[in-house]
Amino acid sequence: GAVVSQHPSRVICKSGTSVKIECRSLDFQATTMFWYRQFPKKSLMLMATSNEGSKATYEQGVEKDKFLINHASLTLSTLTVTSAHPEDSSFYICSARDVTRAGRDTQYFGPGTRLTVL
Amino acid sequence: GESVGLHLPTLSVQEGDNSIINCAYSNSASDYFIWYKQESGKGPQFIIDIRSNMDKRQGQRVTVLLNKTVKHLSLQIAATQPGDSAVYFCAESYSGGYQKVTFGTGTKLQVIP
Repeated sequence: GAVVSQHPSRVICKSGTSVKIECRSLDFQATTMFWYRQFPKKSLMLMATSNEGSKATYEQGVEKDKFLINHASLTLSTLTVTSAHPEDSSFYICSARDVTRAGRDTQYFGPGTRLTVL
Repeated sequence: GESVGLHLPTLSVQEGDNSIINCAYSNSASDYFIWYKQESGKGPQFIIDIRSNMDKRQGQRVTVLLNKTVKHLSLQIAATQPGDSAVYFCAESYSGGYQKVTFGTGTKLQVIP
């Protein structure tokens, strides 16, 4: 249980294009999901908190118009990187909490999406 | 701002030995701590957690110790196996933090067969 998936696992795109990454909780409902970014050999950096049915909450320094987040249902959040540039190349990871489980604060992570912008 | 962890050290251990991975945190308001394991190219995998009202918690082959006095967290892995090779992150959150989790910088564990 508590499985989180991401799609695609890897994407390569040209500069100026937009890329959408999906995060799904497969066997539980998640009112809150989180999006992280990770550079090589670095830690995870929280980008935003995705709330079902409302606007996402972005961390300081994260451009909300560049990283569009939509949490359309209790099992799906999407991150769209708009007008991508090479510096947006990174490993993007989502997570979700399963509030029905004991230890309800635990976040379960997706497998990540490797974005490469040419 | 508050931070968890320091640099990214590498710990090399012989297969079968016990491993101890340490983490320092600085937010005294944190009341929930988690250890994650991340293999190359994958997302973090939950290992074990502990709340601030405890100082020790044991799982299968793993033990987490929490010392709130010095703001220190450790992960002990018994009888380390090659499959334990990965980067280990400590993470913290607090009740008033809107569920946000702050990650430390991580420690790379290399198991020598």
